[in-house]
Amino acid sequence: EAEVAQSPRYKITEKSQAVAFWCDPISGHATLYWYRQILGQGPELLVQFQDESVVDDSQLPKDRFSAERLKGVDSTLKIQPAELGDSAMYLCASSFAARTDTQYFGPGTRLTVL
Amino acid sequence: DAKTTQPPSMDCAEGRAANLPCNHSTISGNEYVYWYRQIHSQGPQYIIHGLKNNETNEMASLIITEDRKSSTLILPHATLRDTAVYYCIVSSSGYDKVIFGPGTSLSVIP
Repeated sequence: EAEVAQSPRYKITEKSQAVAFWCDPISGHATLYWYRQILGQGPELLVQFQDESVVDDSQLPKDRFSAERLKGVDSTLKIQPAELGDSAMYLCASSFAARTDTQYFGPGTRLTVL
Repeated sequence: DAKTTQPPSMDCAEGRAANLPCNHSTISGNEYVYWYRQIHSQGPQYIIHGLKNNETNEMASLIITEDRKSSTLILPHATLRDTAVYYCIVSSSGYDKVIFGPGTSLSVIP
């Protein structure tokens, strides 16, 4: 069964450093989502791509976060500089089309900022 | 804020049916009800979804009230592996934001 791939699975960094996360969605899925999940809370949408275009980044802290999906396939989420409050699970999901479609989640990247 | 409300936690005896409620009183006509679950330290997993009719798949059944203001996810024979946080969300086409609430933490007890 096809899966969403994410790497790394775990990342420990010091504050003010730059970090990057990678996501490879299920083949053929046009929509890609990045979520942040703080311990004890549900996932919070950071950014949604439709192919290579951003369709929702209203919750993305744009002063330090950036996301790209240059060829409409895999995607990278970057944080620069990292802050202590960025410690969380970063989840990537993909769906065939728009939000009514089932989202398939990757295993996530656990970020710890020291 | 999430468009749904769920109890924060529930217990269920192993082998019994687990009935997880969800209120979505402001749901609109084009919004689907989706259920996902998240086992500790993993990404959420899709379970089932529906619009207005009851749905069943190999994992669970979804019962939606006639007025669509609430729904119940039923795991017919809960096992220890069903211990997880269960999220009920509503989602429509277009660009309404998908919002996950805190979900219901289900503990299946031996």
